[in-house]
Amino acid sequence: DADVTQTPRNRITKTGKRIMLECSQTKGHDRMYWYRQDPGLGLRLIYYSFDVKDINKGEISDGYSVSRQAQAKFSLSLESAIPNQTALYFCATSDYQQVTGELFFGEGSRLTVL
Amino acid sequence: GQSLEQPSEVTAVEGAIVQINCTYQTSGFYGLSWYQQHDGGAPTFLSYNALDGLEETGRFSSFLSRSDSYGYLLLQELQMKDSASYFCAVRLTGGFKTIFGAGTRLFVKA
Repeated sequence: DADVTQTPRNRITKTGKRIMLECSQTKGHDRMYWYRQDPGLGLRLIYYSFDVKDINKGEISDGYSVSRQAQAKFSLSLESAIPNQTALYFCATSDYQQVTGELFFGEGSRLTVL
Repeated sequence: GQSLEQPSEVTAVEGAIVQINCTYQTSGFYGLSWYQQHDGGAPTFLSYNALDGLEETGRFSSFLSRSDSYGYLLLQELQMKDSASYFCAVRLTGGFKTIFGAGTRLFVKA
């Protein structure tokens, strides 16, 4: 089983719908992140959380919200999806004790907004 | 603002050596990392440079020069399986968040 699991892996929805992407991890890491990947733009940070009570905005947080339900769970919500939110979304974790700050990514959730 | 610049594409021949450059503008960072991503896959960590100089991990080496705001990933003895996208990334001192460059697509030809 994957250490960082994202659900759903693929989702097609319509403009205006509310969407939630879920991420759970078994690595025991305290830090969790949501990134968005678009062709030619790399990975852009949406939100990150260093523990259950800590939520921080990233580079592109407008139109998104997150919830850290437990150390192992971090959800990303699109309250009212729009077509330019069509992208590949990655959840990632890291261990604060790891000097390199290595990120461990889930397999990604491909979202299409029509 | 903070930014990392990489070439969008690089093509090389199997068995050759290729260098992927990364120039950055940041207010402060702990280190420069490199990630590899195959088509349809997740990014995976390759290397990390906290200090200036060269770090070697098998066929891959990574270099950092803070005075030049520059780093590179060097891939030796290229193999077809090295065809992938490569991203440089920095972990910022303000907030500890990691930001990425747009990525370099490496094509390895036989």
